[in-house]
Amino acid sequence: EAGVAQSPRYKIIEKRQSVAFWCNPISGHATLYWYQQILGQGPKLLIQFQNNGVVDDSQLPKDRFSAERLKGVDSTLKIQPAKLEDSAVYLCASSLASGVNSPLHFGNGTRLTVT
Amino acid sequence: GENVEQHPSTLSVQEGDSAVIKCTYSDSASNYFPWYKQELGKGPQLIIDIRSNVGEKKDQRIAVTLNKTAKHFSLHITETQPEDSAVYFCAAGRNSGNTPLVFGKGTRLSVIA
Repeated sequence: EAGVAQSPRYKIIEKRQSVAFWCNPISGHATLYWYQQILGQGPKLLIQFQNNGVVDDSQLPKDRFSAERLKGVDSTLKIQPAKLEDSAVYLCASSLASGVNSPLHFGNGTRLTVT
Repeated sequence: GENVEQHPSTLSVQEGDSAVIKCTYSDSASNYFPWYKQELGKGPQLIIDIRSNVGEKKDQRIAVTLNKTAKHFSLHITETQPEDSAVYFCAAGRNSGNTPLVFGKGTRLSVIA
């Protein structure tokens, strides 16, 4: 089966600019996650979707980050305006269903550098 | 909320030796403990997981042990090979509801040929 697709692979922007990331989950996976992985740390959940509804966005900095999953398939994550501390790898993951009985499948991520 | 501590942060072993990575968790309600392997430039990949109703699970050269009383779990890799070199993450979560997995900070394993 095709894995989780993410684009772009790399992005360099200046602070205060905006950026968007795209994710296409594994076909048939209802649950989609966006994680932020800062260098030297483990992934931290930003937002979880179940189909096209938000399940958990408690750790999403809503003043600058937004995400959507229209039609319950692809998803985009946007940062506007970016700050230096947003430099990280943004990982998208999907699973058949929510809950730990459905293992997460990660994409290869988008590495964001904010200068 | 859940807090996961992982040790060591880096580990170097000779090819053929064993490697052990340890994690502790804080939330006694956590009952699912996966381990992920992340190679350079790639996303984490699930390699093994254990649920709180068992104390040990093995899959070829990889094993995981869980001590619920002490709230710690460990990853054991035997007969290490150069291709085992990667960053390994432990995580903890609950089987019920939508409580997300909480990840440790990772262990960079280097297997020296």
